[in-house]
Amino acid sequence: NAGVMQNPRHLVRRRGQEARLRCSPMKGHSHVYWYRQLPEEGLKFMVYLQKENIIDESGMPKERFSAEFPKEGPSILRIQQVVRGDSAAYFCASSPQEGYNTEAFFGQGTRLTVV
Amino acid sequence: DAKTTQPNSMESNEEEPVHLPCNHSTISGTDYIHWYRQLPSQGPEYVIHGLTSNVNNRMASLAIAEDRKSSTLILHRATLRDAAVYYCILKIGGSNYKLTFGKGTLLTVNP
Repeated sequence: NAGVMQNPRHLVRRRGQEARLRCSPMKGHSHVYWYRQLPEEGLKFMVYLQKENIIDESGMPKERFSAEFPKEGPSILRIQQVVRGDSAAYFCASSPQEGYNTEAFFGQGTRLTVV
Repeated sequence: DAKTTQPNSMESNEEEPVHLPCNHSTISGTDYIHWYRQLPSQGPEYVIHGLTSNVNNRMASLAIAEDRKSSTLILHRATLRDAAVYYCILKIGGSNYKLTFGKGTLLTVNP
């Protein structure tokens, strides 16, 4: 059973371009979470999605960021008009269900560099 | 959010036990204690979790104080591969899917 797959592993974008980060959850997992780790900072929750639904986007910046988890295909985190401050590692996690007793499985992350 | 307090860093020698402490004095009755670790340049990795009783798995043991205001992650024999940042996290009611990461403890393992 493959783990959580994120691609690309590294992404370089110029200021003003769009960044698309993809996440394929583990087989059988319908719950996806995105976290961001800014340089020298801790991991921050961004958004929680189930198939075709955004459950909690309280950690998403109000502008330029969006996330989706379609019925078919990977979850996508999209950042429009990137700025230098968006440079960070973005981690996706998945779980088979939500709950206190549930562990999350993380991918290796996408390291976004904005130049 | 319920908060946890961990030492910034700890050091251990290879093949010796390591006890990583965590204080969570504001824990509520239904909050679970989860531990994750993050190896350099990798995503976080689940280690163990518990509610009231001590827990063991193939990676580690979790000792929870009787009043639940603190817990200790125990690595029985540290290896170089255990060098990582260890995060103690409370899963709290109302948002039990969310992991709130603090700064964690950076564990250095000396050969």
